[in-house]
Amino acid sequence: GAGVSQSPRYKVTKRGQDVALRCDPISGHVSLYWYRQALGQGPEFLTYFNYEAQQDKSGLPNDRFSAERPEGSISTLTIQRTEQRDSAMYRCASSSAGGATDTQYFGPGTRLTVL
Amino acid sequence: AQSVAQPEDQVNVAEGNPLTVKCTYSVSGNPYLFWYVQYPNRGLQFLLKYITGDNLVKGSYGFEAEFNKSQTSFHLKKPSALVSDSALYFCAVRGDNAGNMLTFGGGTRLMVKP
Repeated sequence: GAGVSQSPRYKVTKRGQDVALRCDPISGHVSLYWYRQALGQGPEFLTYFNYEAQQDKSGLPNDRFSAERPEGSISTLTIQRTEQRDSAMYRCASSSAGGATDTQYFGPGTRLTVL
Repeated sequence: AQSVAQPEDQVNVAEGNPLTVKCTYSVSGNPYLFWYVQYPNRGLQFLLKYITGDNLVKGSYGFEAEFNKSQTSFHLKKPSALVSDSALYFCAVRGDNAGNMLTFGGGTRLMVKP
């Protein structure tokens, strides 16, 4: 079956612009996660949803970052007034349920470059 | 707080030889441990996980990992390396009372030479 998909795969934007990154999880998966991965480092947690409810947003770095999952399926991560330090790979993952033992399956990521 | 350490930035091994990629962790409560592999221009692929039970976990592509509670380690192993195993490997942990986020190590690049 289809895995997690993300779009766009690459996004280049100018400093100060807003960007929206999309994640389409595996069909039927309850939980959806966003991570950010800087070059040469492991992914870092941003936020996660169970269905449409945002359960934890403790990893969002500041109020320029927000995420939503209005119908409990597709999610959008929005970054307002982008800055160069926002450049990174943004990864989305989904899991079948919200349990601590559930495997998270990752999408291909969106590479964001802020000029 | 939970954390993962992968002490080696890179591991070099000859094809056919056994490989080990090291991982140690720190977590409150019971640990749930995961290994992922990242190939160039591709997403993170799940390899295996430890939840409970047998300390030796077998996963995809012939990989296995050994959970050692006293040493707080979860090293990834394979008896005979292939050139195609060359990739970036990430260890991750999740505590049973620390929310649902995964905490990843910094990654280890595995280079298998013919």
